[in-house]
Formats: sequence, structure tokens, C-alpha cells
Amino acid sequence: ETGVTQTPRHLVMGMTNKKSLKCEQHLGHNAMYWYKQSAKKPLELMFVYNFKEQTENNSVPSRFSPECPNSSHLFLHLHTLQPEDSALYLCASSPKKGPSETQYFGPGTRLLVL
Amino acid sequence: GESVGLHLPTLSVQEGDNSIINCAYSNSASDYFIWYKQESGKGPQFIIDIRSNMDKRQGQRVTVLLNKTVKHLSLQIAATQPGDSAVYFCAENINTGGFKTIFGAGTRLFVKA
Repeated sequence: ETGVTQTPRHLVMGMTNKKSLKCEQHLGHNAMYWYKQSAKKPLELMFVYNFKEQTENNSVPSRFSPECPNSSHLFLHLHTLQPEDSALYLCASSPKKGPSETQYFGPGTRLLVL
Repeated sequence: GESVGLHLPTLSVQEGDNSIINCAYSNSASDYFIWYKQESGKGPQFIIDIRSNMDKRQGQRVTVLLNKTVKHLSLQIAATQPGDSAVYFCAENINTGGFKTIFGAGTRLFVKA
């Protein structure tokens, strides 16, 4: 185990649903990340939080809404998603923000949008 | 342009042999590179990294080589074991003053017993 947990592990939702993905890290880290991993596509960074403040938003559609209430928890709120949003959503954390900081990934939430 | 790509989508090696996984990058401003391993049902796991001021770095059974002249990165795994079977992908950080990491598509490594 990496010390990063994600729930749920699997999620099926309709395009009109609202759901939330949860990530929790038990490593005492201060930076947390959301990534999207689609089939046959490279990993894509979505959001970065450093000390609870969002510092990066890589042109992610507004139907994805992140929330970081504290340094240990990160949420991704989903609403009116499209089928092409089906993917593995990965959360990661690192001691602080920075590309040379080793990131620890959770197992991901596999999302299917119908 | 900006791209990170892997030369081979799959690689099959015999247990005990050495494995070499390659990665090409195109951005000269990239200053930091990482190799990740991703096993089925798990998130990516950091393996080894290298900065652009180095051309070689060794870890436990793994070595990363960086050739900035041809913008090429490789991961060498010595004495490959069945537990090494996974998808491996590289990532590059482009030094724009911000945080911009681009990930490669991945190579699936199969280790035959």
C-alpha cells in the first residue's frame, strides 16, 4: 500500500448524475493531485493542490470540480459528465508541490459514464 | 512540439534477462525525467528519476540513461523477474517556471518464466 486511498474503486454513472470521488492520504503530505488515465492515452494531470490551495488547473472542463478541505483529503465532484469522461481517475500526493517531489499514487477510481 | 512517446508498446523478455524500455521526448526545456511502473489494478509507482544535468543514474536493479543530444531516455532493468511485469512509462517536466509534466503512453513488459 502506498498510503493513498481512493473511494469508490469503481463507479458507474449516468450523464445527469452527480457523484464525488474521494482521496485520502496518510503520509503527512502537503500537495495532492488529480490525474485522468484513459485507455490508450497518456496520464493527464488535472489539478494540483498545495497546502489546500489549488495551484494548477490544466484546462479541465467545469463539470469536474475539485475540493481540498485539508491537506489529507481531496475530492473530485462530478456532474453532467460525458461518455468520453470514462477513465481511471488517480489521486496522488507528495511532501510538497514540485515536479521533483516523489508522488505517491492511489489505486484509482475506474469511472464509467453511460 | 511537446510530446513524450515510447518506441515499443509491448516488450517480452525471458526471466533473468535484462530489459530495456525506451522513451523519446521532444522538448528541449525538459529538465527532469521520471520512470513509473504501473501494475494491473494499481496506480503508478515511482521507480527512478534523473535530472537533465546527468546522463546516467542507477538504482536497485534499474538504470536510467539520458541522451539529451537525441532527446532519448531509457530504463534498463537487470535480471528481469516476473514481478517486473507491468506497464512502464516515462514522464518529463518542462521547465516553464510552473508545473508541467507530460507522460508517455507506456510500454507493457511481459516477463516469461
